[in-house]
Amino acid sequence: AQKVTQVQTEISVVEKEDVTLDCVYETRDTTYYLFWYKQPPSGELVFLIRRNSFDEQNEISGRYSWNFQKSTSSFNFTITASQVVDSAVYFCALSDRSNAGGTSYGKLTFGQGTILTVHP
Amino acid sequence: NAGVTQTPKFQVLKTGQSMTLQCAQDMNHEYMSWYRQDPGMGLRLIHYSVGAGITDQGEVPNGYNVSRSTTEDFPLRLLSAAPSQTSVYFCASKPDGAPYNEQFFGPGTRLTVL
Repeated sequence: AQKVTQVQTEISVVEKEDVTLDCVYETRDTTYYLFWYKQPPSGELVFLIRRNSFDEQNEISGRYSWNFQKSTSSFNFTITASQVVDSAVYFCALSDRSNAGGTSYGKLTFGQGTILTVHP
Repeated sequence: NAGVTQTPKFQVLKTGQSMTLQCAQDMNHEYMSWYRQDPGMGLRLIHYSVGAGITDQGEVPNGYNVSRSTTEDFPLRLLSAAPSQTSVYFCASKPDGAPYNEQFFGPGTRLTVL
């Protein structure tokens, strides 16, 4: 069965600090997909990024970057020069094919979330 | 394009009452699902559907029923509400069952059961 663990429950930083959110996952499938979602105080879930298990290239998007390492089953998320607007709950999630019959229909398994608070 | 819509936004029920949470999407997505979000537990899958007429259970299905008569709608029914069902409920959709598709989430329904 798949499992996602977000190492930090809560992180508090001061604006302009860099912050890394750690995500560790377990799956028996060789083909899987990892996602990060952001949930701002308004409550909606916003998709940030998807990474497949065949692509270990790190990705940078503005102040956001993601480090995927299959060897350690980790998919970490770094915010550079954090801003107050980055304050949110961040979720890491996994989708694979492990299920009876070999089809999971892309069900997402979420981590428990990391609450990030950025202080001015 | 409204995306995924959910009604109501907030609901208070008494123990034993029944109700239906509505979910609709206008993106012609085949796959729809319901999650509940509880503090410290992330989102957990309740039920999902891979197309009209096809539904299946997720991780925490007890106390909930679903049906999918159209592509657009995927209502979630609470048969006899219990305080343990106090939660925030999210409906989501994606084009099909492929695992690489990201899910589009609705705004959520905050349910309190007294």
